[in-house]
Amino acid sequence: DVKVTQSSRYLVKRTGEKVFLECVQDMDHENMFWYRQDPGLGLRLIYFSYDVKMKEKGDIPEGYSVSREKKERFSLILESASTNQTSMYLCASRKGTALHGNQPQHFGDGTRLSIL
Amino acid sequence: GQQLNQSPQSMFIQEGEDVSMNCTSSSIFNTWLWYKQEPGEGPVLLIALYKAGELTSNGRLTAQFGITRKDSFLNISASIPSDVGIYFCAGRIQGAQKLVFGQGTRLTINP
Repeated sequence: DVKVTQSSRYLVKRTGEKVFLECVQDMDHENMFWYRQDPGLGLRLIYFSYDVKMKEKGDIPEGYSVSREKKERFSLILESASTNQTSMYLCASRKGTALHGNQPQHFGDGTRLSIL
Repeated sequence: GQQLNQSPQSMFIQEGEDVSMNCTSSSIFNTWLWYKQEPGEGPVLLIALYKAGELTSNGRLTAQFGITRKDSFLNISASIPSDVGIYFCAGRIQGAQKLVFGQGTRLTINP
């Protein structure tokens, strides 16, 4: 079974703090993604990575950075948290090589982050 | 950016009724995915579609990849209380890494 694990289900941080959200997948997937989900706005892609040490900006990368030092782990970093970054954050992964063709994304359970 | 129009936005039905929802786009996709999300959880993949015209079932769920490749629908037959949640469609263009998501259909079931 596919397993994407996000380190925290709930997190409360203060404005200005540096925040790390961790995501680990155990399926040897090449591609990993970070989304945020807000009412009325759906899922919006923040960053994704198609290989170790590779990263691409998604649709809303401002205020975020990412790190992919190992294939199984993709970290989302809020450099200086702000209240408008309060949201549900979802990590996903996907087998991404041409050999495997089209494969669906599989999601973690999400981290509900509140910035006070 | 690309948009997926998912409808309806919400549905209130009686237990036992059939449900139908759909997604349309101005872009051509080569993959359509349907996910379900329950409160406090991440989306879970229900059905994946890869060919125009493909019709795939997963238990009481049936989804189809539209012939034009610009739409997809999901049907749920004989709904039960555990079907409650938000259903999302997602599409991917040939060669793209990113998915485009619909806004979701919130399903509520009255027992």
